[in-house]
Amino acid sequence: DAGVIQSPRHEVTEMGQEVTLRCKPISGHNSLFWYRQTMMRGLELLIYFNNNVPIDDSGMPEDRFSAKMPNASFSTLKIQPSEPRDSAVYFCASAPSLGSSDYTFGSGTRLTVV
Amino acid sequence: GQQLNQSPQSMFIQEGEDVSMNCTSSSIFNTWLWYKQDPGEGPVLLIALYKAGELTSNGRLTAQFGITRKDSFLNISASIPSDVGIYFCAGRPSGGDSNYQLIWGAGTKLIIKP
Repeated sequence: DAGVIQSPRHEVTEMGQEVTLRCKPISGHNSLFWYRQTMMRGLELLIYFNNNVPIDDSGMPEDRFSAKMPNASFSTLKIQPSEPRDSAVYFCASAPSLGSSDYTFGSGTRLTVV
Repeated sequence: GQQLNQSPQSMFIQEGEDVSMNCTSSSIFNTWLWYKQDPGEGPVLLIALYKAGELTSNGRLTAQFGITRKDSFLNISASIPSDVGIYFCAGRPSGGDSNYQLIWGAGTKLIIKP
């Protein structure tokens, strides 16, 4: 298995633009997590899905952030409109089940909003 | 909310030295995990602990689940250059609605002096 695949690896965008981050989880994993990592705040859980259904989005910082999982092999995290303070590394992780501790992380998307 | 205190924040060591880091929580956890993050990559699971007092090794790495269930430590013996990176503890609190969410420490950055 190729692991969790995220795209793009790097994204530079202007303030106000829409940004879409993509994630393909490991086949057979039923749970998917979106995290944001910054120096100041460390790893923050934004939202997680189980069997394609959003379970908890309380970590999503604002209404500008939205996430979808239309099927078991694809998820998106969208920021519209983007702001400079959204600059961070965004990670997607998947796990066999919600209670599993064996998270597999993607390589992340480094987002820079200028 | 739940927080983990991870220390030290960073370590500068000589190659060949042993390394020790720990995490403490204000509440009881039923799972402790240790992850390592290499530059430009997502965290990778090193060791998972599920029982109080459990001591588990993975090569030169050894981790223990504290008896009080409120702490865990990670030891690395005879460090080598590839041990450089950021080590994260993570845990799952016992009980409550947030059973499925991992709580993350702020990380310990390991640097090996040439």
